[in-house]
Formats: sequence, structure tokens, C-alpha cells
Amino acid sequence: KAGVTQTPRYLIKTRGQQVTLSCSPISGHRSVSWYQQTPGQGLQFLFEYFSETQRNKGNFPGRFSGRQFSNSRSEMNVSTLELGDSALYLCASSLAAGRVNTEAFFGQGTRLTVV
Amino acid sequence: AQKITQTQPGMFVQEKEAVTLDCTYDTSDPSYGLFWYKQPSSGEMIFLIYQGSYDQQNATEGRYSLNFQKARKSANLVISASQLGDSAMYFCAMRELLNNNDMRFGAGTRLTVKP
Repeated sequence: KAGVTQTPRYLIKTRGQQVTLSCSPISGHRSVSWYQQTPGQGLQFLFEYFSETQRNKGNFPGRFSGRQFSNSRSEMNVSTLELGDSALYLCASSLAAGRVNTEAFFGQGTRLTVV
Repeated sequence: AQKITQTQPGMFVQEKEAVTLDCTYDTSDPSYGLFWYKQPSSGEMIFLIYQGSYDQQNATEGRYSLNFQKARKSANLVISASQLGDSAMYFCAMRELLNNNDMRFGAGTRLTVKP
């Protein structure tokens, strides 16, 4: 069974640009969550999608957005990039949502560098 | 408020010895799940072990066990017979049933296994 696939693995962008990251969850998983990981802030929750609907959203500015398609693949977009957006962006897929025992399976992440 | 606290930024252990990584959490939700993940330098988060708030026994998975002390709100990870490949970042995480249910992470502990 294929794992969670994130593309691209590495990305370099210039301040002010926008970027789109992609995540393909494990087949059959309907929940996709996104996290931003930085050395200073650790792992911070961005948002979760389930069946094409955003269930939860973390405390990030509106420049961060996402969506989920009918095949459960998800994209996240960051507009007007800032230097502080440089981070490892991790995607996690889960079989279901709304349960405490639902394990999250993570992709290898996209490392975004903003220059 | 910080939901998950990992007070050990770094830990060292001798190969073949056991090590305990600390995790305390804060919740008023009676139903929650606690998870431990390992993150090697490659970046991918690897699920290790799960403990539910209603589980009567401590969870175990191979060399990993979880020392769950509900009244103290602690969920320490014990790794027995440490191996060089155990060197990585370790994250404690929690899902609450009522509070949006997204997975929130602690700051992590960097474990280094010495030969």
C-alpha cells in the first residue's frame, strides 16, 4: 500500500510569491491534515480536511489556505510568501475524522525555503 | 495554553540501555488519545505507540512502552534496549474528542544513542 506522498520535496521561492503544495493520502483515507514545522515553533497545526470540507483550522493568517478534492488529494497554498514561512510542511492522512484513536500517517514533507 | 509539554529538549542514552522520554498533557476532555511519533533526520514522522484515555493497561509495542499515569496527566515513552537507529526526534501528541479532534504535538525531545 502506497504511503502519503507529498510533492515537491524541496522548493525555493522568493518573498511575495505564492506556492502550492500537494499531498496524496493513503488510498481509502479521507482525512488530510497539514502541519508547519520550524525549529522555533515546532509542529503547528494548519488545517484538516475531511471529505472535501475543512473541519478544523489552526491559528495561521489567511495567506494559508487549502482544499481537498473528491479523490481525497489535498493542496495547500501560501500567498505573498514571507521569510518566516520557510519551514517543513508535513501532510498527514487518517482513515477517519472525529475519533481519538485515529492514527495519522505522515508524508516526508515539503521543505520550503523563502529567500 | 500549551496542551502537550515535553520538558527534555535533548537526551542521551547508551546503546542497549533503556530510556524514558517525558510527556505531560493538559485536557478537560474525558476522552482523548495519546500518541508518540519518531522523526528521523529524513523528516518523516513514524507512528510508534498509542494510548487511549480509557485504556486500563499501559500500551506496549515491541521495544516501546507507554507509562500512562492518568491522574498526573503524564504519558512517558520508554524505549528498552536502545539501538543506534533510535537516534531521532520524538514527539508526543494528543487528540481530544470534543476539542476539534485535530492532533496537537509537543515540542519534541532529541534522543541520541551513544555506541
